[in-house]
Amino acid sequence: DVKVTQSSRYLVKRTGEKVFLECVQDMDHENMFWYRQDPGLGLRLIYFSYDVKMKEKGDIPEGYSVSREKKERFSLILESASTNQTSMYLCASSADSEKLFFGSGTQLSVL
Amino acid sequence: GQNIDQPTEMTATEGAIVQINCTYQTSGFNGLFWYQQHAGEAPTFLSYNVLDGLEEKGRFSSFLSRSKGYSYLLLKELQMKDSASYLCAPRRENSGAGSYQLTFGKGTKLSVIP
Repeated sequence: DVKVTQSSRYLVKRTGEKVFLECVQDMDHENMFWYRQDPGLGLRLIYFSYDVKMKEKGDIPEGYSVSREKKERFSLILESASTNQTSMYLCASSADSEKLFFGSGTQLSVL
Repeated sequence: GQNIDQPTEMTATEGAIVQINCTYQTSGFNGLFWYQQHAGEAPTFLSYNVLDGLEEKGRFSSFLSRSKGYSYLLLKELQMKDSASYLCAPRRENSGAGSYQLTFGKGTKLSVIP
């Protein structure tokens, strides 16, 4: 079975802190994605990557950056966390043209 | 751009059939996925349609009409464990990049009652 692992289930940070959310997949997938999910807004795509060192902006990239130095790892970075970035963050991966497999999610609270 | 519309909530009775509709406007459309998400859990894959017509998979079926920008998910013989949110997700191909991305609707929260 495909496994997508997110480093933390719950995270609490202070406004202005730099935050790293890590995601690792074990199926050699080319594509990796970061979404956030908020009540009433659904899942929204932040960034995605279709190859090592490649990245593309999704629908809401402002305030975020990403890093993909190795195929299996895709990191989401909040340079200076703000309260409106409190959310559930979901990482996903897929092989070309195939379905997405999601991690368990990281509930981030920014105080 | 993307515009995805599905009902916010639905309620159905155990053992019944329910149809969850989704309309979309997606540039570069390249297939449509349905995902199930139980409260507090990650979404899991249910079905995928790339051609017009019906795809059947056990108690779940999904239909696609590309010309109408319309899909539905049909759940038969409802069970209590089917209470979850159902997410419609059209996929688009990014021009010139050779990559794809899924955009999710806001989801339909289905409550199955005895």
